[in-house]
Amino acid sequence: QKEVEQNSGPLSVPEGAIASLNCTYSDRGSQSFFWYRQYSGKSPELIMFIYSNGDKEDGRFTAQLNKASQYVSLLIRDSQPSDSATYLCAVNGATNKLIFGTGTLLAVQP
Amino acid sequence: NAGVMQNPRHLVRRRGQEARLRCSPMKGHSHVYWYRQLPEEGLKFMVYLQKENIIDESGMPKERFSAEFPKEGPSILRIQQVVRGDSAAYFCASSRPEDSPLHFGNGTRLTVT
Repeated sequence: QKEVEQNSGPLSVPEGAIASLNCTYSDRGSQSFFWYRQYSGKSPELIMFIYSNGDKEDGRFTAQLNKASQYVSLLIRDSQPSDSATYLCAVNGATNKLIFGTGTLLAVQP
Repeated sequence: NAGVMQNPRHLVRRRGQEARLRCSPMKGHSHVYWYRQLPEEGLKFMVYLQKENIIDESGMPKERFSAEFPKEGPSILRIQQVVRGDSAAYFCASSRPEDSPLHFGNGTRLTVT
């Protein structure tokens, strides 16, 4: 079992729709959870982090965490073509390093 | 406020040569992480360093790879006797001691011919 799992996609949504990205993790001791966005050929860019169960909202982005289910999600409201990218879920592991999933490719269709 | 600085952006080496990748963390950050990303794959953790200390090198290949973060100067990831399979993007990230989010540099794209 991979430490952090994501559906590789592509996830295709129409412009203006809600994109829902999901992630599961295996280490119950993980305390910190992150979403990064990576455009093709570019470096990862931090979008959101969440430490507590529940929802955390920042503009069009909402991160959701359920530690009991070991599940993290990212919702993107009013999706725009510029949101098209690979979204990486990351979870802190031993020694506080981040363990990344392989990413979900999101394609927002105009 | 300068971000994480990596150089060179692109590096071409022939098989058997050495590659040296440099990373200067963000101002105020004393923790440095190196990750490798192969085409169409995720980020793989390699090593985590603080000044003059290797904290976690569980992701480093046992041979040919080494990393350091000296008291003065940038962190260096060194790959000796490169092989074609070392071709990848190498990303450095930094963080503050009390803060988990990592901030990434632009990466070094290593090509081994």
